[in-house]
Amino acid sequence: DTGVSQDPRHKITKRGQNVTFRCDPISEHNRLYWYRQTLGQGPEFLTYFQNEAQLEKSRLLSDRFSAERPKGSFSTLEIQRTEQGDSAMYLCASSQLSGAIPGNTIYFGEGSWLTVV
Amino acid sequence: KQEVTQIPAALSVPEGENLVLNCSFTDSAIYNLQWFRQDPGKGLTSLLLIQSSQREQTSGRLNASLDKSSGRSTLYIAASQPGDSATYLCAVPNDYKLSFGAGTTVTVRA
Repeated sequence: DTGVSQDPRHKITKRGQNVTFRCDPISEHNRLYWYRQTLGQGPEFLTYFQNEAQLEKSRLLSDRFSAERPKGSFSTLEIQRTEQGDSAMYLCASSQLSGAIPGNTIYFGEGSWLTVV
Repeated sequence: KQEVTQIPAALSVPEGENLVLNCSFTDSAIYNLQWFRQDPGKGLTSLLLIQSSQREQTSGRLNASLDKSSGRSTLYIAASQPGDSATYLCAVPNDYKLSFGAGTTVTVRA
């Protein structure tokens, strides 16, 4: 399978616990994105990487959230001290850099569902 | 700030009918517009990417049109099938991130 893969697909955690999600992008893609989606809404941007550099973070990404992309390959999204409001699907996506114009198709993974109880 | 709206939120049609899904955006200075499909509990599958210089893009039974000046895009799905039942989302780039509409949930009745 050469698509974007995410792990785990589902996670149930108690409030206050830490969780970590992993994303493996399409191998030749140097841009990687994290989005969050709640029921009935479109995905909302959280952060993105170009290679290993984290270039933008949304104001939605509180200090409890941290994302990394060591060596510009896979990425992790960690949520510390989870709250019930963190319950959502966390989507990872990747694309190829094409000059300065974002003209390329963005490919999404299957998402990681988080339920905080 | 780019706002993307999709109307209607839900649509139910009998099999064989053509589907018309609407997407509007507030800032017409876009590079492209992308349509996605999302099945329940799943990720997003890219259907069509239409560049700002294009007026239409076609893939099989799917056709997307783009009118930048009016801030609108329309996704047409011909001869709908039950397998077309899903949520369809449109998205436009805002710098290097996508701004999404809330989607139109389509049910095709057999």
